Formats: sequence, C-alpha cells, structure tokens
Amino acid sequence: AQSVTQLGSHVSVSEGALVLLRCNYSSSVPPYLFWYVQYPNQGLQLLLKYTSAATLVKGINGFEAEFKKSETSFHLTKPSAHMSDAAEYFCAVSDNFNKFYFGSGTKLNVKP
Amino acid sequence: NAGVTQTPKFQVLKTGQSMTLQCAQDMNHEYMSWYRQDPGMGLRLIHYSVGAGITDQGEVPNGYNVSRSTTEDFPLRLLSAAPSQTSVYFCVTGGVDTEAFFGQGTRLTVV
Repeated sequence: AQSVTQLGSHVSVSEGALVLLRCNYSSSVPPYLFWYVQYPNQGLQLLLKYTSAATLVKGINGFEAEFKKSETSFHLTKPSAHMSDAAEYFCAVSDNFNKFYFGSGTKLNVKP
Repeated sequence: NAGVTQTPKFQVLKTGQSMTLQCAQDMNHEYMSWYRQDPGMGLRLIHYSVGAGITDQGEVPNGYNVSRSTTEDFPLRLLSAAPSQTSVYFCVTGGVDTEAFFGQGTRLTVV
C-alpha cells in the first residue's frame, strides 16, 4: 500500500518569505502525486498534480512542486508567502487513479 | 455538470440514531470513497469502491456501511451513531488520468 508523510504539522513563515512544505511518499511504481489546499470550513481544492510529465509542476496561486524520484519527495514551494496562503495543505498519492492516499496535512501560518 | 454532490451539509444526530450520507457523481468515475476528517488526524479512509457492485474497507470502517449499486451513487450509512463519529465527512471520486474530486463535505455532530 502507498503511504504519504508530511513533515511538520505546523509551519510558520513571514509574509514575503519562502514557503516550503515537505512531502515524501512510498511507492513501488511511479506514482501520481497531488497537492491540495483547504481553507477554514471549506473543502479541499487541487493546487497541482504530477502525472509523469515534467518533474517541476506549476500550480495555482504561484505554488509549484518538484518530483524527485531518487528522494521519493514532492515538496511544495512558493517563493513569496502571502497572507491569503494561510491554510492547511495536503499531499496525496495515487498509483493507478483508483485509490488515493493522503498525508496528515500541514497547517501554514503566515505572519505579517 | 454538477461534479460530486454530497448531502446533507450539516447534520445533528442523537446517539443510537441511524442516517445515510448521500454522494452522487456525474463524471462516470469508477472510484468513489468516503473519508472522515478530524483535527490533527488528516483524512482517513472509511470505505471505497472501484466500480458498481464492488466495495472494500478502508482504514476506519467500523460503524459504517456502504453499497454501490450504480456507478453514480455511493451512500454511506451510519448504523447506530456514536459521539466518536462526530466528524467532517467527504465523498471523494476519481477516474483514469484524474485527480481526486471532493464533495462539499458533511459536518456531523452526534450528541
């Protein structure tokens, strides 16, 4: 079975600083990888997805993630944090689009 | 195109009551599933289905029942509600070459 590990349940950055949210996965086959964002009292919204094309994936709101097979990682980054980025972020993996596995989530706090 | 329709949005139950959360999708997705979300515990898989007539248990199936008689519908039944089932529930679907699609969520409180 797949598994997803998100390091750090809470991350705090200053507005304008780099955002780095970490995600590692376990997979015996090339996976499909996703990042989702959840704002308070809302559902989950897709930020970006990796489906074996380019290893650097660009998503919405200035976020991007890089697939590194050798490190089994798919970390999410944004060069400059904005107050509106404060939310909870979930990494997910699917090995055949028939079952999804989610990380435990990372809450991002952005300080003014 | 409605996507994933999940109802109700809010529900309060008394301990011991039963209820059904409805999930319908119009994207012809084979994969449908139910997750619960609790603070600090992420999303935990309750039950899932890879096609009509096929269901399987996830990580936390106890106290829940599902069936998949059609491609479109995947209801989740709480047999005898308990306070430990207070949670936010999401119906999640997916197909070949797609990401996971989420319903709007159901906030369930069991008193």
